[in-house]
Amino acid sequence: EDQVTQSPEALRLQEGESSSLNCSYTVSGLRGLFWYRQDPGKGPEFLFTLYSAGEEKEKERLKATLTKKESFLHITAPKPEDSATYLCAVLPEGAGTYKYIFGTGTRLKVLA
Amino acid sequence: DGGITQSPKYLFRKEGQNVTLSCEQNLNHDAMYWYRQDPGQGLRLIYYSQIVNDFQKGDIAEGYSVSREKKESFPLTVTSAQKNPTAFYLCASSTSEFDTQYFGPGTRLTVL
Repeated sequence: EDQVTQSPEALRLQEGESSSLNCSYTVSGLRGLFWYRQDPGKGPEFLFTLYSAGEEKEKERLKATLTKKESFLHITAPKPEDSATYLCAVLPEGAGTYKYIFGTGTRLKVLA
Repeated sequence: DGGITQSPKYLFRKEGQNVTLSCEQNLNHDAMYWYRQDPGQGLRLIYYSQIVNDFQKGDIAEGYSVSREKKESFPLTVTSAQKNPTAFYLCASSTSEFDTQYFGPGTRLTVL
């Protein structure tokens, strides 16, 4: 069964304390992996799409990487405004496959 | 400004009522989606539409209905048959069913 697991469920960091969020997935084939940021009471905001193992993408303090089994979202020198829930989703390969599979998210709190 | 709008932001439903949630996009996207988000769970797909006048059930379609009469619009009706409708509802769209999905701001539905 296709599955996405995010860890940790929650993470508290001091401002400037770098860390990584993990998204592990089990699918027969990967069409794409997506990272989103979600603030409380709002819709998810798109961050990155990764398509193949070894691919990396960066945006400000965030860097996403992809292997054949997992993706990491690295946060370098975070600031309080980076506090949010980070969601990971995968789109499996296969005929007629259209559904994203979402993880339950990592709630990040950055303390000043 | 291109984007996805959802209305209302908050909606209250009495027992036995049908309510309709609005989703409009001006991104010229062909595919549109409705998700339900509950605390501690990943986003779950209710319905999706790849093209005007066509839509398919997702994983949790029971008690919901949709229409896609215009490319820009994909309204969701929560019927009285949906026994536990209190949740945060998210609409998304993408260029095609295999591309990155972009989300609207969400509608929070509460049953009184």
